[in-house]
Amino acid sequence: QKEVEQNSGPLSVPEGAIASLNCTYSDRGSQSFFWYRQYSGKSPELIMSIYSNGDKEDGRFTAQLNKASQYVSLLIRDSQPSDSATYLCAPSGSARQLTFGSGTQLTVLP
Amino acid sequence: DAGITQSPRHKVTETGTPVTLRCHQTENHRYMYWYRQDPGHGLRLIHYSYGVKDTDKGEVSDGYSVSRSKTEDFLLTLESATSSQTSVYFCAISEGTGVDYNEQFFGPGTRLTVL
Repeated sequence: QKEVEQNSGPLSVPEGAIASLNCTYSDRGSQSFFWYRQYSGKSPELIMSIYSNGDKEDGRFTAQLNKASQYVSLLIRDSQPSDSATYLCAPSGSARQLTFGSGTQLTVLP
Repeated sequence: DAGITQSPRHKVTETGTPVTLRCHQTENHRYMYWYRQDPGHGLRLIHYSYGVKDTDKGEVSDGYSVSRSKTEDFLLTLESATSSQTSVYFCAISEGTGVDYNEQFFGPGTRLTVL
């Protein structure tokens, strides 16, 4: 059973702070890693993809990957109330499949 | 937004009735997926397709069947709906090639209630 564990929530941060979301995965064969944002009652939206060890930055979002530690994280800088959502971590598996974590619910307090 | 639609968006049905959910895409992507999302379980893969008439089972396929007769359409059928199949169902698509070959894009979802 391939497992994906995300830090238990809910997570609350004040507006303007850095939100840190963490994910560990068990499948050493995973090659690509994705972060999705899901607003309540909506579908998941892809916000970050990362394929190599290190950091990848896109605007206020930074994804960090460490394959040796089987760890991937998402940092959200200058958090805004509009960032309040559930964030899903999804490493790739076999046959073009993704395995999703249960998600971390983030609330950004004004 | 990726051109993915799901129908119906909401459905209430009774135990034992057949139900078919439709996913339609305009992106010409090769891969299509059906997930269900339940509190405490996250997104779980039901079935997926890697081409017309090519499908395979996912993690939670019992009680579900799928068909893909055209690139753009992927149907999910509950032959005899049960209350445990009450859930939100999402369709996703993936190009399956190129650098970002594993990226999946989701449809708006179908909320199914089985009474």
